[in-house]
Amino acid sequence: ETGVTQTPRHLVMGMTNKKSLKCEQHLGHNAMYWYKQSAKKPLELMFVYNFKEQTENNSVPSRFSPECPNSSHLFLHLHTLQPEDSALYLCASSQEKRGGFDRANTEAFFGQGTRLTVV
Amino acid sequence: DAKTTQPPSMDCAEGRAANLPCNHSTISGNEYVYWYRQIHSQGPQYIIHGLKNNETNEMASLIITEDRKSSTLILPHATLRDTAVYYCIVRAYDYNTDKLIFGTGTRLQVFP
Repeated sequence: ETGVTQTPRHLVMGMTNKKSLKCEQHLGHNAMYWYKQSAKKPLELMFVYNFKEQTENNSVPSRFSPECPNSSHLFLHLHTLQPEDSALYLCASSQEKRGGFDRANTEAFFGQGTRLTVV
Repeated sequence: DAKTTQPPSMDCAEGRAANLPCNHSTISGNEYVYWYRQIHSQGPQYIIHGLKNNETNEMASLIITEDRKSSTLILPHATLRDTAVYYCIVRAYDYNTDKLIFGTGTRLQVFP
């Protein structure tokens, strides 16, 4: 148990469906991340939120829409996905300090992921 | 792009030390070396990190060369549960460029 919980753990959806992935962290962190891991590929950073503001959008298609209502929750809204979007979607959180020498001295904690299959 | 180079796979006998190398020849002075591992179909797990000094915790030891261009993660007594993909990552502490970018990692297979 890492303190980062993702639901659902598995999701099968059709290409015309709309679904949402949820991530919740109980660590008091202020930064949250979405990663995508396709079969036999490295983890790809999708979105970064710091202090509830999106600070990174790594050229992700608009059919993926993130939402961060507060520092403990992160959503990934999905609509009109393609079969190639099938992957393991991972959420992570960390404590980021603005300014200061030890800015990067914060490890990220990952959830167990949501295994998404688009049919 | 990832800034590290790791061998794609390694084997280790159970109970022996596993030494996983990582090259990061372009590392900057403000970048830390982080190690994570990912057991099959689970989320990555933080192992250890360091800047220039060697580090040790309950999971592993991290040896960083004096020029900081390479490092080695040491699992002192590998078990079957240590079979995983191990990622070496360099990460800056500059707010505007801080990203946790994963490469392809090293697949460590621990055998009985």
